[in-house]
Amino acid sequence: QVQLQESGPGLVRPSETLSLTCAVSGDSISSDYYWDWIRQPPGKGLEWIGSIYHHSGSSFYNPSLKSRLTISIDTSRNQFSLNLSSVSASDTAVYYCARGSGAATGNYFEYWGQGTLVTVSS
Amino acid sequence: SYVLTQPPSVSVAPGKTARITCGGNNIGTKSVHWSQQKPGQAPVLVVYSDTDRPSGIPERFSGSNSGNTATLTISRVEAADEADYYCQVWDSTSDHRGVVFGGGTKLTVL
Repeated sequence: QVQLQESGPGLVRPSETLSLTCAVSGDSISSDYYWDWIRQPPGKGLEWIGSIYHHSGSSFYNPSLKSRLTISIDTSRNQFSLNLSSVSASDTAVYYCARGSGAATGNYFEYWGQGTLVTVSS
Repeated sequence: SYVLTQPPSVSVAPGKTARITCGGNNIGTKSVHWSQQKPGQAPVLVVYSDTDRPSGIPERFSGSNSGNTATLTISRVEAADEADYYCQVWDSTSDHRGVVFGGGTKLTVL
């Protein structure tokens, strides 16, 4: 069974960098899937952040976040990471990691992490 | 960028059929997926690739997609189906490629 687990600080200061890691078990981060980040501000809907695909080294980012965003893979630890710079209160959200099926099948998410709340506040 | 439009809310009596729509320009040419999210929980995939169900999802959940509208249909609605439902697609038609979510629909079981 594929499992994903997010980890990282629950509180980040404004203008600093939000860093999260998603540990994957039950599958290899090098397998033929996309690895995605999605977030959900309190009381609001889902917002896709971005995807990374190890096979091709490709990454796909939400245009509204692209200038502040980096998603990377660590194959030695079977995990992937999110770095979002220059955060503000509007980046406060529950952050989810998920395994995507890939662009050819529309990149649906069958496996999700439990989510982690990140609050941006001084 | 590509936009998916869902009604904010749908209400249905137990045992009846709920239909949740997802509108988008020529969405019938894309593969649509639906997720269910209950309060405080991560989303759960209920329909993928327009009409397929992951293992463990009841047959009461079905999907269709044609023209400018995709629809999630829940038959014989139960109280446990009360949740937020999100449609999503992979957009490769604009100048970027990525996932697009609809705004979500809150299903209320009366």
